[in-house]
Amino acid sequence: SQTIHQWPATLVQPVGSPLSLECTVEGTSNPNLYWYRQAAGRGLQLLFYSVGIGQISSEVPQNLSASRPQDRQFILSSKKLLLSDSGFYLCAWGDRDLYGYTFGSGTRLTVV
Amino acid sequence: GDSVTQMEGPVTLSEEAFLTINCTYTATGYPSLFWYVQYPGEGLQLLLKATKADDKGSNKGFEATYRKETTSFHLEKGSVQVSDAAVYFCALSDGFYGGATNKLIFGTGTLLAVQP
Repeated sequence: SQTIHQWPATLVQPVGSPLSLECTVEGTSNPNLYWYRQAAGRGLQLLFYSVGIGQISSEVPQNLSASRPQDRQFILSSKKLLLSDSGFYLCAWGDRDLYGYTFGSGTRLTVV
Repeated sequence: GDSVTQMEGPVTLSEEAFLTINCTYTATGYPSLFWYVQYPGEGLQLLLKATKADDKGSNKGFEATYRKETTSFHLEKGSVQVSDAAVYFCALSDGFYGGATNKLIFGTGTLLAVQP
């Protein structure tokens, strides 16, 4: 069966520090992969999505970047975190066969 | 571009009351529609979906019907429980093929509180 792993679950980082969040998918190949952010008390904002290795589409210009070094690995990064980067980050994969989207358990990032 | 509009929350109901959360969408094609639920401190879980007009998605007593004529996908449950307290998100996707955007677009979410 397909599973999606996201880590860490919680992260507290100082302003100006780098960030790396990782997401991996098991049990499928060539999935569509997505990074969303949920700010406190707000909805879900699509940040990046990828339809294949090395293919990244950015939805919102910001302090973050994404990479897909392997078929089932999706990484969200920042060189220097801002206070406004705080939020709940969710990775998801899109299943073309079942026509559905499955989300990871999320990373709660607090920038202090 | 495509978008989803949900009713503002919070929605506060007594246990066993009837629940409706309104959702309307704007899309150029024929999207699939989804309801996701987020329990406190957790990620998102798919609640139900519908992939074409007049389809009814249902799960755990919740249901929603894809209404193309009114561009709506309202979530309903006949008798809510305290355990249903969560944030509910309506979403749409235009799919993965044929030049689709491959994106899942969400509404702002509706917080449901249930009083025992």
